[in-house]
Amino acid sequence: GAGVSQSPRYKVAKRGQDVALRCDPISGHVSLFWYQQALGQGPEFLTYFQNEAQLDKSGLPSDRFFAERPEGSVSTLKIQRTQQEDSAVYLCASSPFSGIANYGYTFGSGTRLTVV
Amino acid sequence: LAKTTQPISMDSYEGQEVNITCSHNNIATNDYITWYQQFPSQGPRFIIQGYKTKVTNEVASLFIPADRKSSTLSLPRVSLSDTAVYYCLVAPLAYSGAGSYQLTFGKGTKLSVIP
Repeated sequence: GAGVSQSPRYKVAKRGQDVALRCDPISGHVSLFWYQQALGQGPEFLTYFQNEAQLDKSGLPSDRFFAERPEGSVSTLKIQRTQQEDSAVYLCASSPFSGIANYGYTFGSGTRLTVV
Repeated sequence: LAKTTQPISMDSYEGQEVNITCSHNNIATNDYITWYQQFPSQGPRFIIQGYKTKVTNEVASLFIPADRKSSTLSLPRVSLSDTAVYYCLVAPLAYSGAGSYQLTFGKGTKLSVIP
């Protein structure tokens, strides 16, 4: 596709439920990032993939958060046993570069997760 | 990663030039300055990037003084569609190991354009 596609756009989960958020990056993009954006705040880094390798997961807030990109294209962010503080917009970004950190990002529109 | 400070909010009338200044006193030699724009219900969008002096593209200009401790994003003749949150980021261009893959956005500046 022409841009980064994220699905679903909105997700309401009951506390304790597991959720899976999908990101379809721009075709051929090597790098893929996940960010979490709480209401009124800027995006915060969660994790980074270079192809299928997860090179940095230091931003994942707890072991309930898990991300994968098994074939180096589509990525899934999974949150187990959701809690209210997980409510946020989850943004995915991709880049065609593997060695450039601060250029060439394209963000998706995000998935808004509400935990009730 | 260098910390940035920018105004929380700004108001401007349509047709005016808007200047948003960002402070980054501890910017490192290999850091670049990047500005992103974010509309409600969308992800951030790259606007402009620079290292020193002045950079101009079809959307904005970026002014960086010689000491690089601040930068100013200039939006000429704003319209209602420029109402958004603007983020100033400072980071190296190239990866340098774990931690360098992260962009630090801060809270940004909420620009409201008034008719």
